Amino acid sequence: SQKIEQNSEALNIQEGKTATLTCNYTNYSPAYLQWYRQDPGRGPVFLLLIRENEKEKRKERLKVTFDTTLKQSLFHITASQPADSATYLCALDFSGYSTLTFGKGTMLLVSP
Amino acid sequence: NAGVTQTPKFRILKIGQSMTLQCTQDMNHNYMYWYRQDPGMGLKLIYYSVGAGITDKGEVPNGYNVSRSTTEDFPLRLELAAPSQTSVYFCASSYPGTSNTEAFFGQGTRLTVV
Repeated sequence: SQKIEQNSEALNIQEGKTATLTCNYTNYSPAYLQWYRQDPGRGPVFLLLIRENEKEKRKERLKVTFDTTLKQSLFHITASQPADSATYLCALDFSGYSTLTFGKGTMLLVSP
Repeated sequence: NAGVTQTPKFRILKIGQSMTLQCTQDMNHNYMYWYRQDPGMGLKLIYYSVGAGITDKGEVPNGYNVSRSTTEDFPLRLELAAPSQTSVYFCASSYPGTSNTEAFFGQGTRLTVV
């Protein structure tokens, strides 16, 4: 079955630094990969989508890379702020029917 | 726009009771989904629907039923609640074919079965 692995340990960084989160997956590469943010007690919120033919995507302070050879995506938040503290989820559509498989998420804690 | 609305937000059920989790969206999305999220775990797909009258099983469908009579509504039914169904349930919708294919999630229903 398809697996998605994200760092289970929380990532603690200082304000202003760049946070880098990793998403690894097994088996065949999907057509696209998505990143979501989830705050405690809330539903996930979409951040970015990157397609298999795109190496990098940016949106404001966010950057996502997608390496289909390594089967890995990296999610970067530059100039991090305490408000960026949340759990970040990686999601892929292995089915081809727009049904997402989610990783367990990585909690990011940005301290002032 | 309200987006995806789930009710109730919280519910405590006794073992063997039944209930329906309601989900409605006002974005005219044809795809709708139900996920459950257990502590420290990723979201797992229970059921999904690609349009009114069409539903299909996801990864963890046992103990649940769904129906999709309209584009807007996608209720999830628990017939005989079991402690293993204690979880947070999220409904989502999307419109595949657009450039982003992002999923929009509701705020979740926290269900406890005792």
